[in-house]
Amino acid sequence: DTEVTQTPKHLVMGMTNKKSLKCEQHMGHRAMYWYKQKAKKPPELMFVYSYEKLSINESVPSRFSPECPNSSLLNLHLHALQPEDSALYLCASSQDPVSSYNEQFFGPGTRLTVL
Amino acid sequence: SQQGEEDPQALSIQEGENATMNCSYKTSINNLQWYRQNSGRGLVHLILIRSNEREKHSGRLRVTLDTSKKSSSLLITASRAADTASYFCATRRGKLIFGQGTELSVKP
Repeated sequence: DTEVTQTPKHLVMGMTNKKSLKCEQHMGHRAMYWYKQKAKKPPELMFVYSYEKLSINESVPSRFSPECPNSSLLNLHLHALQPEDSALYLCASSQDPVSSYNEQFFGPGTRLTVL
Repeated sequence: SQQGEEDPQALSIQEGENATMNCSYKTSINNLQWYRQNSGRGLVHLILIRSNEREKHSGRLRVTLDTSKKSSSLLITASRAADTASYFCATRRGKLIFGQGTELSVKP
């Protein structure tokens, strides 16, 4: 299984809602990532989990809260988002958190719209 | 901050033609990666070239790396409509940093 899955595919939420994005991989990868991508822009790193511990937080606002319940799952909890947070949220994983030679495997993304 | 800059930003060609995309980066690297993204979808890793390699092939893809000029190019030969996508170079400095991307359109 060389797939990273993400749910839901689409999400529309109001600014007062609380929702969660989910990501799963069964490749035994020990690094997992959340990226945010705006239209016609490259992905921007938000968080990195290395061996289930948060290793990088790219100064992301606290209304985004990541969680890694186990080595296969990654969640992104959303609360009190702003319309400018509307974007494609991508999850990725890689085998080794340390090696720079690892490719990253991306999920299909969750298209988030904040009203 | 973005490590890579790509050109052209957009490229439109006919099926069967070759497509060349360029990437420039600012700091030293130990490898450079290319990814493809179909519209609104996740990224797919295409190829990784190490800093001690000058050229690498994978199927219809040819990647070159010139560390003295801090630049790389991706050549897709005999393009197909299915190659229509955005292409990003990426370098790793602790984290993976993507270039701005080239939007390739291959017309049948």
